[in-house]
Amino acid sequence: DAGVTQSPTHLIKTRGQQVTLRCSPKSGHDTVSWYQQALGQGPQFIFQYYEEEERQRGNFPDRFSGHQFPNYSSELNVNALLLGDSALYLCASSLAGTYSNQPQHFGDGTRLSIL
Amino acid sequence: GENVEQHPSTLSVQEGDSAVIKCTYSDSASNYFPWYKQELGKRPQLIIDIRSNVGEKKDQRIAVTLNKTAKHFSLHITETQPEDSAVYFCAASMTGGYQKVTFGTGTKLQVIP
Repeated sequence: DAGVTQSPTHLIKTRGQQVTLRCSPKSGHDTVSWYQQALGQGPQFIFQYYEEEERQRGNFPDRFSGHQFPNYSSELNVNALLLGDSALYLCASSLAGTYSNQPQHFGDGTRLSIL
Repeated sequence: GENVEQHPSTLSVQEGDSAVIKCTYSDSASNYFPWYKQELGKRPQLIIDIRSNVGEKKDQRIAVTLNKTAKHFSLHITETQPEDSAVYFCAASMTGGYQKVTFGTGTKLQVIP
């Protein structure tokens, strides 16, 4: 049973460029959340996708956008990259529950470095 | 929005001793509290979670307690082992069919052999 997989594992970009990160959820999961984890800090919620729609969003600018596909996989896009976007980007998947929270399972992340 | 504070930021214990990490949250609507362990360069892994209708939960050497009135929850690790060394994150979220999870700032636990 494959867990959450993310690609690529590492990425180096320069300021102003655009980047796309990819995530495949754990088998049986239908909800994908994206987090940004700066060095030495806890993960910060970016947004969550369910049924191909953005369901919730954290305090991130519109430069951060996403997409969910019919097979539940997801992409995170970041435009006009800034030095401060350098971080580990984590994808977490879960099964939507109407009345209770379901545990989120994380991928290994994509380490994004901006030069 | 929700704010989760976590203390201490670093913790060193001798092997075999207990370790306690404490968190507070701000939003009384939060009712799900997971704890994650993150080893260097690896993904956060869920180690235990607790829901608001429960005051305490144990899983072998790990236990979590929740005080909803005070908005406090804590992680207790007994008989610590070197492999327990990692960064631990507490988190909080609300029910409602979505799970925006707010994380604490992390505690770096070092278990000294």
